[in-house]
Amino acid sequence: QQQVRQSPQSLTVWEGETAILNCSYEDSTFDYFPWYHQFPGESPALLIAIRPVSNKKEDGRFTIFFNKREKKFSLHIADSQPGDSATYFCAASEGNNNNAPRFGAGTKLSVKP
Amino acid sequence: EAAVTQSPRSKVAVTGGKVTLSCHQTNNHDYMYWYRQDTGHGLRLIHYSYVADSTEKGDIPDGYKASRPSQENFSLILELASLSQTAVYFCASSDRLGGRYQNTLYFGAGTRLSVL
Repeated sequence: QQQVRQSPQSLTVWEGETAILNCSYEDSTFDYFPWYHQFPGESPALLIAIRPVSNKKEDGRFTIFFNKREKKFSLHIADSQPGDSATYFCAASEGNNNNAPRFGAGTKLSVKP
Repeated sequence: EAAVTQSPRSKVAVTGGKVTLSCHQTNNHDYMYWYRQDTGHGLRLIHYSYVADSTEKGDIPDGYKASRPSQENFSLILELASLSQTAVYFCASSDRLGGRYQNTLYFGAGTRLSVL
């Protein structure tokens, strides 16, 4: 079962545009929502994360928007750069249980100069 | 920064053979995980562990066994490798849940497994 759904599967934007990646989840017990990025030939690494106590988290050009009622969250990459080209994974986990994070299927982002 | 080392980095196995993938972490993390990565499926959870000598099934455990003999080591075992198990396998570790770095996963470099 896919506990975390991610879209689109691939996305192409021009340099300087804002890229928007979307995720949704089913389990209401999830309370930590990170985004990881993976460059070709490398392993995933944490980019930014949010807890549902807030509906927005910013880190430079990267912003997570969180909608608890709709169980959706998105990653916005402002002023996209060619160096942002990578695969992005959203994830969800539950902090008060001995459980493991579940990942979305990934979005392959290409930023054209 | 967390150090997670996987071995081997790549392996070619024959159908029906036994394969063991190893993972070692040096950061005193309680939690360790095995994920497989396939195009279009992202990272799917196979097994994980939150304490030595105990493992938990993830979402796709069929055909895989896991072993956590110590806090530092976590192995994934394919007793009878099949073509469908061709994938990239990632081991990861994280600190105790609820802490400041709640569930930040630190990944190893991955093992590319080809079953022929």
